[in-house]
Amino acid sequence: SQTIHQWPATLVQPVGSPLSLECTVEGTSNPNLYWYRQAAGRGLQLLFYSVGIGQISSEVPQNLSASRPQDRQFILSSKKLLLSDSGFYLCAWSVMWGNSGANVLTFGAGSRLTVL
Amino acid sequence: RKEVEQDPGPFNVPEGATVAFNCTYSNSASQSFFWYRQDCRKEPKLLMSVYSSGNEDGRFTAQLNRASQYISLLIRDSKLSDSATYLCVVSMNTGFQKLVFGTGTRLLVSP
Repeated sequence: SQTIHQWPATLVQPVGSPLSLECTVEGTSNPNLYWYRQAAGRGLQLLFYSVGIGQISSEVPQNLSASRPQDRQFILSSKKLLLSDSGFYLCAWSVMWGNSGANVLTFGAGSRLTVL
Repeated sequence: RKEVEQDPGPFNVPEGATVAFNCTYSNSASQSFFWYRQDCRKEPKLLMSVYSSGNEDGRFTAQLNRASQYISLLIRDSKLSDSATYLCVVSMNTGFQKLVFGTGTRLLVSP
């Protein structure tokens, strides 16, 4: 069966420090991978998605970046964190739902980031 | 206008009650619809998809009204364990199937 691992679960970082969140998927090949952020009181915001190794699409301009060095590995990074980067970061992978073409997401347990 | 809108709640109901949530979406070209459940400080998990003809899964019933662009979720015989935030999710084809999440409706079921 497929599983998705995300780490670290919790981190507290000072403003201006770098960030690296990692996500790996097991039990599937060539998955679509996603990074979402959920800020307090707000909905999930799609940050990046990837349909294959080295293929990254960004949804919103920000000081974050993503990389996919291996088929089942997705990394979210920042060189210098801002206070506004605080939030709950969720990695997800998707499978196609029936014949609709829609992607159903399965999320990792999330990484809760607090920037001070 | 937000792409997907939900009443944030909270909806406070006693055990055994029936509760319904609505969700509206702005893009008439939206193709697929889902309800996710998110427990406090946890990741969202798929609850059910929403079919055009409506569908039921145990105590949960989902309905879609394309003409009015809204989706509903009905929970019958509420349990304490139903307490969570329910996220309405709409799929849009922007060259890539993009899932847009509502901010969620919080449900609190009390004894």
